Amino acid sequence: GNSVTQMEGPVTLSEEAFLTINCTYTATGYPSLFWYVQYPGEGLQLLLKATKADDKGSNKGFEATYRKETTSFHLEKGSVQVSDSAVYFCALMDTGTASKLTFGTGTRLQVTL
Amino acid sequence: DVKVTQSSRYLVKRTGEKVFLECVQDMDHENMFWYRQDPGLGLRLIYFSYDVKMKEKGDIPEGYSVSREKKERFSLILESASTNQTSMYLCASSPIEQGGGTDTQYFGPGTRLTVL
Repeated sequence: GNSVTQMEGPVTLSEEAFLTINCTYTATGYPSLFWYVQYPGEGLQLLLKATKADDKGSNKGFEATYRKETTSFHLEKGSVQVSDSAVYFCALMDTGTASKLTFGTGTRLQVTL
Repeated sequence: DVKVTQSSRYLVKRTGEKVFLECVQDMDHENMFWYRQDPGLGLRLIYFSYDVKMKEKGDIPEGYSVSREKKERFSLILESASTNQTSMYLCASSPIEQGGGTDTQYFGPGTRLTVL
């Protein structure tokens, strides 16, 4: 079946540090890949997505590249801000699964001054 | 902006009570979903619906049922609440985009349910 594995958190960084959150996946088809973000007290919001191999999704300074050879979709940001503190979820939507998302367990990011 | 609203942010119920969680979306989306979110487990799909009066089981449907009588509204029902159903419940909706497999899901703010 499908699965998504994310690095365990929490991740604690100082402001302006470089961020990487690892995500790898297992899928039977040709999935689309997503990063969602959940700010404190809120629901999830789509951060970025990529629909095929070698695509790069980007938004708000975050980037992730769909690597089929390593089945990965790592999230990166060059310089984090305190306002980026949130929980980040990697997810996949496989072909033939009719819009169903499979989520990773989430990684909490805490950015300090 | 797409808006998904949930009837309550916080809810406290007793064991054995029947519980209704309501979700409404205002963007005429075909698909609607109910998830529960638990620490260390991420989001797990309970039920989803592609159309009015249509429903399909997700990964953890036991102890839950759903109702979709109108396109914009998707209700999650706990027939007899139990303490292991204490959780954060998230509703989502998505359109059916051409090409499939790329539909963005839009989430509500969540309902934190405590069953005593």
